[in-house]
Amino acid sequence: TQLLEQSPQFLSIQEGENLTVYCNSSSVFSSLQWYRQEPGEGPVLLVTVVTGGEVKKLKRLTFQFGDARKDSSLHITAAQPGDTGLYLCVGEAGANNLFFGTGTRLTVIP
Amino acid sequence: SQTIHQWPATLVQPVGSPLSLECTVEGTSNPNLYWYRQAAGRGLQLLFYSVGIGQISSEVPQNLSASRPQDRQFILSSKKLLLSDSGFYLCAWSPNRDSMVLFGEGSRLTVL
Repeated sequence: TQLLEQSPQFLSIQEGENLTVYCNSSSVFSSLQWYRQEPGEGPVLLVTVVTGGEVKKLKRLTFQFGDARKDSSLHITAAQPGDTGLYLCVGEAGANNLFFGTGTRLTVIP
Repeated sequence: SQTIHQWPATLVQPVGSPLSLECTVEGTSNPNLYWYRQAAGRGLQLLFYSVGIGQISSEVPQNLSASRPQDRQFILSSKKLLLSDSGFYLCAWSPNRDSMVLFGEGSRLTVL
């Protein structure tokens, strides 16, 4: 399984700060999903984006799919300690053909 | 370093046939092991997890079963496949319950 490049790999910020995580690839995806994973648990689906240029908001989280459907970003506004975890992007290129991101480990310090 | 392998990578099976997907982890001992499935256009779904040999927990009722005959081996099986079993199956492991889950390369199953 090829990897999507995620950046940054590690991020430690203070509570209340904003942050953006990027997910880039040279491949075109039919859809892209963002997950959050906490220690000892499996990944939890946050959002699926399917249309180039699409923007979805989930409370303080904003997800954007690139116009060419090769990249995506996750922006968190006013981060809270509960946002701490591993954020993972997964691109789908055709039926059952998945590309996993390298993951971004976020720590929000109270 | 630790590695995870699963096979076969691609499988096409007729309805009613049996299934066996295998997963092994190297370079560690007593890992937590997981089987996930992603159906087309849907998110990752946890099917089974195991914290030790012979210990299997099932997250959802289904046509599949899992076994852990050895410490670093996890097997996903079915006696009779259904069309709805088609999907992308991922084996994963973690060193302990406080660590992140790391994924294998996946197996694409198509049931015809």
